Amino acid sequence: KAGVTQTPRYLIKTRGQQVTLSCSPISGHRSVSWYQQTPGQGLQFLFEYFSETQRNKGNFPGRFSGRQFSNSRSEMNVSTLELGDSALYLCASSPTTSPTDTQYFGPGTRLTVL
Amino acid sequence: AQSVSQHNHHVILSEAASLELGCNYSYGGTVNLFWYVQYPGQHLQLLLKYFSGDPLVKGIKGFEAEFIKSKFSFNLRKPSVQWSDTAEYFCAVRNQAGTALIFGKGTTLSVSS
Repeated sequence: KAGVTQTPRYLIKTRGQQVTLSCSPISGHRSVSWYQQTPGQGLQFLFEYFSETQRNKGNFPGRFSGRQFSNSRSEMNVSTLELGDSALYLCASSPTTSPTDTQYFGPGTRLTVL
Repeated sequence: AQSVSQHNHHVILSEAASLELGCNYSYGGTVNLFWYVQYPGQHLQLLLKYFSGDPLVKGIKGFEAEFIKSKFSFNLRKPSVQWSDTAEYFCAVRNQAGTALIFGKGTTLSVSS
């Protein structure tokens, strides 16, 4: 099976712009989670989607939003970018929302905000 | 709120040395515990996980971890490390209610040959 894919792999934006990142889960996986990874804060949970519904949300401002489509693909959007949004954004998929499911991670999108 | 602490930020070992990375979590109920590894330039991948049964779990590449409920710990061990084990290691916890998977801040392991 193909793994989790994320596009684009790299992005450079300027402050105030908005950005959309895309994630395609492993075939058959219906749960998608997003994380922000930075050297200082490590991996921080953004949100989780299952069957097009947001199930969990992390402690991030409303500028961060996401959605999931009927084919389980997911997008996240960050509006009004700030310098501090520079990070590696990781997407992970799992078959279901079971807490024992393994989450499989993609390679990430490296976002740089100038 | 749940949290995960990894006490060692950076560990430096020589090949063949034994490894133990600490992980403690704060949550009073039933938890599911994971160790993930991120090799340089690669995706995060699962090393091992525990959700019930034998508290000593074995994972890939010779790693194992022991769940000690009374200590809220899930330490990762490997009897003899190799240069190829150089990576960042993350402990993570998810409670039975299925709330978010919470990660520790990671431990960087450097192994010299």
